[in-house]
Amino acid sequence: DQQVKQNSPSLSVQEGRISILNCDYTNSMFDYFLWYKKYPAEGPTFLISISSIKDKNEDGRFTVFLNKSAKHLSLHIVPSQPGDSAVYFCAASPQGGSEKLVFGKGTKLTVNP
Amino acid sequence: GAVVSQHPSRVICKSGTSVKIECRSLDFQATTMFWYRQFPKQSLMLMATSNEGSKATYEQGVEKDKFLINHASLTLSTLTVTSAHPEDSSFYICSARGTGQFVSKNIQYFGAGTRLSVL
Repeated sequence: DQQVKQNSPSLSVQEGRISILNCDYTNSMFDYFLWYKKYPAEGPTFLISISSIKDKNEDGRFTVFLNKSAKHLSLHIVPSQPGDSAVYFCAASPQGGSEKLVFGKGTKLTVNP
Repeated sequence: GAVVSQHPSRVICKSGTSVKIECRSLDFQATTMFWYRQFPKQSLMLMATSNEGSKATYEQGVEKDKFLINHASLTLSTLTVTSAHPEDSSFYICSARGTGQFVSKNIQYFGAGTRLSVL
């Protein structure tokens, strides 16, 4: 039973355009959500998080949107850069993030010059 | 800030031997550390959670006698794969969560991972 789903295994965008990565979850107890970026043979790097009390959080080129009624979140990267090419994992946790994280399978983003 | 060091990055061993992987938080106190395993093209699967000074909590299906976890200090946790077999070959990643100047308390910070190959 996959509680966090990233239905697009890959995404390809042009440099300078917007990248939108999507994530769906099923567990209504999740109230804290994170996005991590991962390069091959490296550990994930934290990008941005959002609490369920918000519907948007922004940090530079990265914005995360949360739609609680749809149990859906998305990560927007604007403008996309070739260095953004990586696998992006969505993760969720109950209890404000104090519990363990549940990860999606990841979306491989390729930004073409 | 928020650096987690994992060592070794790669290890090749013979079947039946034991392998120890270290995970250190370099600039913060890791009150909780996590060990994950990642199969190719799959998500990170949590193996166990350890709090400093107490026994690790293992996820369902993870053999605690095979994957020994020690979290003896606020900066170090170790994972020992005992009597390793080829099916244990995988990418193992640790993460840490804790307190310090450079960390947010609810964020897990990850090490670079260890690629284990058992011949």
